[in-house]
Amino acid sequence: DGGITQSPKYLFRKEGQNVTLSCEQNLNHDAMYWYRQDPGQGLRLIYYSQIVNDFQKGDIAEGYSVSREKKESFPLTVTSAQKNPTAFYLCASSGETGELFFGEGSRLTVL
Amino acid sequence: AQSVTQLGSHVSVSEGALVLLRCNYSSSVPPYLFWYVQYPNQGLQLLLKYTSAATLVKGINGFEAEFKKSETSFHLTKPSAHMSDAAEYFCAVSHTGRRALTFGSGTRLQVQP
Repeated sequence: DGGITQSPKYLFRKEGQNVTLSCEQNLNHDAMYWYRQDPGQGLRLIYYSQIVNDFQKGDIAEGYSVSREKKESFPLTVTSAQKNPTAFYLCASSGETGELFFGEGSRLTVL
Repeated sequence: AQSVTQLGSHVSVSEGALVLLRCNYSSSVPPYLFWYVQYPNQGLQLLLKYTSAATLVKGINGFEAEFKKSETSFHLTKPSAHMSDAAEYFCAVSHTGRRALTFGSGTRLQVQP
């Protein structure tokens, strides 16, 4: 079945460590996105990519990095510079119709 | 910048009652508008979208929304709530010039038996 796969579903990190969240899609979509979700704040855009080898900062990019070497993949690295990394992270993709298709999310907890 | 405001972070209805979740948008140009639903610890699923065709949009699971330009609103309704409707609902608007969506802060719907 076509869709978006995020891994891991749960991740624990010690302070000062970088972690990378995986996002893979087989929908043949050009655009991919990373959002962060915190209780009561909705979803906030971290980074997005509209084409391979290109990406743009979203509203809260500080402390995060991404790459887009393949159309299917858009990994997110949460660096030690991110002051409050504990959150639920959602990856999405979109095609010509404009709506976003979401993965199941990755919950990161900093110990 | 485009944005959406969802009035009411929590809404509680009885099973069988009308569901009304409110969303107002701000946009300098005709927007694309979306409603998504999220169940606990899951991703978001599209309920419906408005793309400047019909102002009354029908979605999945019996939900519908009406685009009212004069009120800058896109409220979500369902005539009769079911227990399975209990979830968090997000309104979103598309950005001119980029395809990412801007989301409201969400409304958690409780359905009482």
